[in-house]
Amino acid sequence: GDSVTQMEGPVTLSEEAFLTINCTYTATGYPSLFWYVQYPGEGLQLLLKATKADDKGSNKGFEATYRKETTSFHLEKGSVQVSDSAVYFCALTAGGGADGLTFGKGTHLIIQP
Amino acid sequence: EAGVAQSPRYKIIEKRQSVAFWCNPISGHATLYWYQQILGQGPKLLIQFQNNGVVDDSQLPKDRFSAERLKGVDSTLKIQPAKLEDSAVYLCASSSDGSTDTQYFGPGTRLTVL
Repeated sequence: GDSVTQMEGPVTLSEEAFLTINCTYTATGYPSLFWYVQYPGEGLQLLLKATKADDKGSNKGFEATYRKETTSFHLEKGSVQVSDSAVYFCALTAGGGADGLTFGKGTHLIIQP
Repeated sequence: EAGVAQSPRYKIIEKRQSVAFWCNPISGHATLYWYQQILGQGPKLLIQFQNNGVVDDSQLPKDRFSAERLKGVDSTLKIQPAKLEDSAVYLCASSSDGSTDTQYFGPGTRLTVL
């Protein structure tokens, strides 16, 4: 079945550091790929998405590129802030009508001032 | 625009008891999802509705879990009887038309089974 693997946390960085959170997937067909974020005390919310190969999703300074050849969708940000501290989930939908998300386990990101 | 509403926010029950969760999606959203999130893991899809019909319930433990979406609006998820391993956060999400459309999540119901 479909699956998502993302790097284990917690990931601890200093403010203004460069961020990469790795995500790889296994899926049949052509999935759509997502990054969701859960800030402390808040619900899950969409951060960015990409629906086909070579698409780049971006939002709030975060970027991720859909790489079909490496089945990856790594999340990057050039300069993180304390307010980026959260749990980040990589996810996919297989499409074809059944559109439930398949999530990775999540990566807890901690940004220190 | 009001978000996805869920109730109750917290529930504590004894094993073998029954429990029900309620979800009201964003107005006009045709697709509704229930997910189970066990501590330290990502959410897992339990069931997907399109209007009031079931699209995918392949991961729903049907011997103890049931869900309905009468009239294609709000939805109820029930567990009967509950087991210790059902302790989790139950998330409801909705989207306007499934597929690649954004899913909007509610705050969740945290269930503890003792």
